[in-house]
Formats: sequence, C-alpha cells, structure tokens
Amino acid sequence: KNEVEQSPQNLTAQEGEFITINCSYSVGISALHWLQQHPGGGIVSLFMLSSGKKKHGRLIATINIQEKHSSLHITASHPRDSAVYICAVSDRAGGTSYGKLTFGQGTILTVHP
Amino acid sequence: DVKVTQSSRYLVKRTGEKVFLECVQDMDHENMFWYRQDPGLGLRLIYFSYDVKMKEKGDIPEGYSVSREKKERFSLILESASTNQTSMYLCASSLLGQGRREQYFGPGTRLTVT
Repeated sequence: KNEVEQSPQNLTAQEGEFITINCSYSVGISALHWLQQHPGGGIVSLFMLSSGKKKHGRLIATINIQEKHSSLHITASHPRDSAVYICAVSDRAGGTSYGKLTFGQGTILTVHP
Repeated sequence: DVKVTQSSRYLVKRTGEKVFLECVQDMDHENMFWYRQDPGLGLRLIYFSYDVKMKEKGDIPEGYSVSREKKERFSLILESASTNQTSMYLCASSLLGQGRREQYFGPGTRLTVT
C-alpha cells in the first residue's frame, strides 16, 4: 500500500507570502492529485499530474517521479486561499486500477490579512 | 460542470438504526467512491464501484454495505449504526481509466450517531 506523507501539517502565512506544501509517496504511481477543501465544504480537484509541472493562476504543482515527491506552491497568497490542501496518489497497476486514491493527512493553511 | 450531489448535508441517527446515504452524479461516470473523513486520519476509502451492480471493498468496509442499481446513483448503507461511525462521508465519481482521471467530490454528509 502506498504511504503518502505531507508537510507541514499546519501552515500560517501573511497575505502576499509565497507558500510551499510538500508531498512524498512510497511506491510507483500513475498520477498525483492535489485537492482543496474549504471549511465545511466539499473537496475540489486542483491538479492531477504524472510528470513535470502544471500552473493554474497563482497555483503551481510540480512532481519529481524519481524522488517520489511533489510540491504545491501558492504565489502571492490571499486569505481566500485558507483551506486544507490534500495530496493523493493513484497507484500504478497492471490492470485497471479504477482510480483508487491514497490520501495524505492534509495541510491546514491559514493566510492572515 | 460535473455535479455530484449527496442526499443530506447533516444527519443525526440513533445507535442501531439503518442509515442510507445517497450519492448521485450527472456526468455518466463509471467509477463511484465512498470515503469517510476523520480528524487525524484523513480520507479513507470505504467502498467503490466501477459499474452498475459491481462493487469492491476499500480499506475500511466493515459495518458498511453499498448498492449501485443505476449508473448515476451509489448508496452507502450502515446496517446498524454505531457511534464510531460518526464522521464526514464523502462521495466521489470519475471516468474509468488507469488512475489518471480526476475525481469529483460531493459536498459531504456529516453523520452523527448518538
């Protein structure tokens, strides 16, 4: 079973700061997902990546397959970015994996004005 | 936009009751999933389904069963609710495909068993 570790568990920042959240996993994967969960809200998929880098607005996700490591960056952070950020991986499988995810514990981000 | 809906946002049930949680998706997705989310434990897979009437156990299936009679609907059943099943329950769906498909989540149902 794949283990997924995120760091830090809690992160507090001032508005405008550059933020990095890290994710490490233990075995081969077919894809890595970054998810966002606002308090009391559902979960939204931010990125799905299997190599390289993706960017959406102020959010950037990178993955290093050899190192089994991914980072989520937020540039020019804003209080509305306050949420739980969750890393999840889809295991690599010989047959159809059905997209089962293994999740990290999540990183609670608070951005103060 | 993909929409995944869950029958209730909040639910309070008594110990021993049979509880049904319903999930409906409107994008013709093959895969549907039920997770529970607990502080300190993160999200854990209870059951998933990759086709009508097909189901597979996840990591924590004990005390739960599921039903998928129609492609768009996936139900989670607590046969006899217990206090340790108090949790946030999240449903998700995705297209079939080697793990490289985004999952779309519902808003969650916060279940309290007293």
